[in-house]
Amino acid sequence: NAGVMQNPRHLVRRRGQEARLRCSPMKGHSHVYWYRQLPEEGLKFMVYLQKENIIDESGMPKERFSAEFPKEGPSILRIQQVVRGDSAAYFCASSGLGPPQETQYFGPGTRLLVL
Amino acid sequence: GENVEQHPSTLSVQEGDSAVIKCTYSDSASNYFPWYKQELGKRPQLIIDIRSNVGEKKDQRIAVTLNKTAKHFSLHITETQPEDSAVYFCAAPTSQGGSEKLVFGKGTKLTVNP
Repeated sequence: NAGVMQNPRHLVRRRGQEARLRCSPMKGHSHVYWYRQLPEEGLKFMVYLQKENIIDESGMPKERFSAEFPKEGPSILRIQQVVRGDSAAYFCASSGLGPPQETQYFGPGTRLLVL
Repeated sequence: GENVEQHPSTLSVQEGDSAVIKCTYSDSASNYFPWYKQELGKRPQLIIDIRSNVGEKKDQRIAVTLNKTAKHFSLHITETQPEDSAVYFCAAPTSQGGSEKLVFGKGTKLTVNP
């Protein structure tokens, strides 16, 4: 399966713990986008990365959230000291050539539940 | 920045009927408009997209129309089937924040009744 992969699919954390979400883009893709989806809501852009570079993090909260896309390995979205409001589905998407007008393909998402 | 409004939020149709979902956008520079389908608990999947150099695009039972003057685009599904039931999202690009990214509508929950 050469599609976008995300793990874990489900993640349960207690308040104050850290959450690490991983995304492996589609083969040949070097552009990764992270989105957050709350129940009954649309997809909200968080961050756009290329290999070893954060291109746009304008949608990501400045505190507790960070993202990286190292030269080797998956992209990581890290949430420190999670709070109940962080409970959501987090999707990543990848594209081959980057914007503009480049089709984004989504992974299956990670459903984060903060107790 | 881009603002994408999507209507209706819910839509219920009988099997075989047509369904139409409309989106408006605010950034006149936007030139790429994808539509995604998301089944319950699944990933959003691209079903069709349109670029601003055409006014309509069709793929079997699905079509998208674009009116750049009025800044709106619509998804049309004909001969609906129960498996079309899902949430549909439209999107448009914005350059706010330093890069071009997609802004999504809030979604339309389509129910096709057998």
